[in-house]
Amino acid sequence: AQTVTQSQPEMSVQEAETVTLSCTYDTSESNYYLFWYKQPPSRQMILVIRQEAYKQQNATENRFSVNFQKAAKSFSLKISDSQLGDTAMYFCAFMKPDDFGNEKLTFGTGTRLTIIP
Amino acid sequence: NAGVTQTPKFRILKIGQSMTLQCTQDMNHNYMYWYRQDPGMGLKLIYYSVGAGITDKGEVPNGYNVSRSTTEDFPLRLELAAPSQTSVYFCASRPRRGSYGYTFGSGTRLTVV
Repeated sequence: AQTVTQSQPEMSVQEAETVTLSCTYDTSESNYYLFWYKQPPSRQMILVIRQEAYKQQNATENRFSVNFQKAAKSFSLKISDSQLGDTAMYFCAFMKPDDFGNEKLTFGTGTRLTIIP
Repeated sequence: NAGVTQTPKFRILKIGQSMTLQCTQDMNHNYMYWYRQDPGMGLKLIYYSVGAGITDKGEVPNGYNVSRSTTEDFPLRLELAAPSQTSVYFCASRPRRGSYGYTFGSGTRLTVV
């Protein structure tokens, strides 16, 4: 079974600074997908960024980028020029599709990020 | 386009009561999922469905039942509610095999007292 570990329960950073959230995972698979989801106080789960394991290039979405280290099974999220709206819980998630297309997300326990004005 | 709609948003149940959490999507997605999120924890899969008439258990199915009679609806039934079922419940959907974008509902906060 896959496990996802987020070792930072809470983090805070000043507005406009850069912050990195850590995530490690455990799997014996070689083909899988990794995600970062954002959950603001509204409870809505919002996809921030996605990484395919077969791609060596790190995914980037505007101010959000990842550092994907496949051998180390590490998948950290970097938020540049942090904004007040980035305040939220951030979940790292793992997914591997099977031959029948049954794909289930396994989530970490989350990191609560607070951006300080 | 409403996406994934969950009702109710909040509910308080007494121990032993039953209820159904409703989930409907208007995107014609084949795959639907129910997750629960306990305080300070990530989401855990309760049940999922790959199409109308097909359901399967996830990681934490005990105490719950589901049905999928239509593509749009995927209700979650709680029988004999227990305090351990106090949680936030999320419904999610995905278009088809090979698509990796989940759409989540806004959740139902359930408290069992």
